[in-house]
Amino acid sequence: SAVISQKPSRDICQRGTSLTIQCQVDSQVTMMFWYRQQPGQSLTLIATANQGSEATYESGFVIDKFPISRPNLTFSTLTVSNMSPEDSSIYLCSADGVTNTGELFFGEGSRLTVL
Amino acid sequence: GDSVTQMEGPVTLSEEAFLTINCTYTATGYPSLFWYVQYPGEGLQLLLKATKADDKGSNKGFEATYRKETTSFHLEKGSVQVSDSAVYFCALLNQAGTALIFGKGTTLSVSS
Repeated sequence: SAVISQKPSRDICQRGTSLTIQCQVDSQVTMMFWYRQQPGQSLTLIATANQGSEATYESGFVIDKFPISRPNLTFSTLTVSNMSPEDSSIYLCSADGVTNTGELFFGEGSRLTVL
Repeated sequence: GDSVTQMEGPVTLSEEAFLTINCTYTATGYPSLFWYVQYPGEGLQLLLKATKADDKGSNKGFEATYRKETTSFHLEKGSVQVSDSAVYFCALLNQAGTALIFGKGTTLSVSS
């Protein structure tokens, strides 16, 4: 198993600013994922982050808005850029236990409120 | 595209009641299916899974059977406890095996 720590756990941000969320895993993992959970909605995959390559973004998400770093096998960051109230959401970091099996470990999430 | 639909919540039950949370899916082929659970203040964690038709996943007294005829993966437990209060998410693995697609989640509240 893997333990995933995210920070900040929550934040209140001003419109137009950017915020970086950090995700630390206590063991080396191949794939890391960033999800968004908007109020009353399901979890939506933003992107997959692999070490040594650019993140792979899902339809509707772009690198300019959600730049992602993956400098090593235990760490990743997601930046939410030029925020608007529509970006208010919970952002979840996850990592695979065994590659391509769907068995993921999740952090507790970062709850962002944009005013 | 692939999608998961699960019953709206919240579901409120008394301790020892029988639980069913319905989940149906739309997908190409026969994807692996999952139930994840999020207890208060914690991250999502895998509860159970099934990888092919007629498989039954089980864990902590919960069960779900992969029914390809009805494209369903309903979660059941015979006798719920207060400690089962949580949000339950049904999910499928896309055909490429690269992404989990989640339902909206169902909140379960169990009272003593």
